[in-house]
Amino acid sequence: ILNVEQSPQSLHVQEGDSTNFTCSFPSSNFYALHWYRWETAKSPEALFVMTLNGDEKKKGRISATLNTKEGYSYLYIKGSQPEDSATYLCAFTNETKGYSTLTFGKGTMLLVSP
Amino acid sequence: DAGVTQSPTHLIKTRGQHVTLRCSPISGHKSVSWYQQVLGQGPQFIFQYYEKEERGRGNFPDRFSARQFPNYSSELNVNALLLGDSALYLCASSLGAVTEAFFGQGTRLTVV
Repeated sequence: ILNVEQSPQSLHVQEGDSTNFTCSFPSSNFYALHWYRWETAKSPEALFVMTLNGDEKKKGRISATLNTKEGYSYLYIKGSQPEDSATYLCAFTNETKGYSTLTFGKGTMLLVSP
Repeated sequence: DAGVTQSPTHLIKTRGQHVTLRCSPISGHKSVSWYQQVLGQGPQFIFQYYEKEERGRGNFPDRFSARQFPNYSSELNVNALLLGDSALYLCASSLGAVTEAFFGQGTRLTVV
């Protein structure tokens, strides 16, 4: 059974604060690690897909790193804004028998106050 | 371009009934996956279809079934509904069976 753990479960920061979340996943049979941002009443939005150990991805004020050998990924938000308030999900993929499934963590709920 | 669309957005059913949820993938995407999300948990994989064939099935009872049509749209069927089937059902589409997935807004199913 694959287990993806995310921490913290929730986070409340002030506008302008920088923050980071952790995603832990099984390091064996790794294929890809996905980060999604999910705002209430909207579709989960794909932020990053990372496949290689040491990968670093950046989109605006958000960046992510990947360590496949030890099985973790960090998501960083620099200078948080109220519009960053959302649940951030990570999902692990191990390619099995020619198809992939996303195994999700429970998410980190971020609230950014003005 | 239209994203992944799901219908209906909300649904209330009675225990024992059956339900059909629908999903239209992004144009050109041949793979559709279904996920169930209950409160406080991450989405759980139910099925993946690629080129109209079932490619993967999660740990769900046989009351859950799905199919994919020639236009790559998909239906998820759940028979003999239980209260525990109340959840948000998400559909995701992707170009291939192991490529990046894009999600719809989901169907909120409530079983009473």
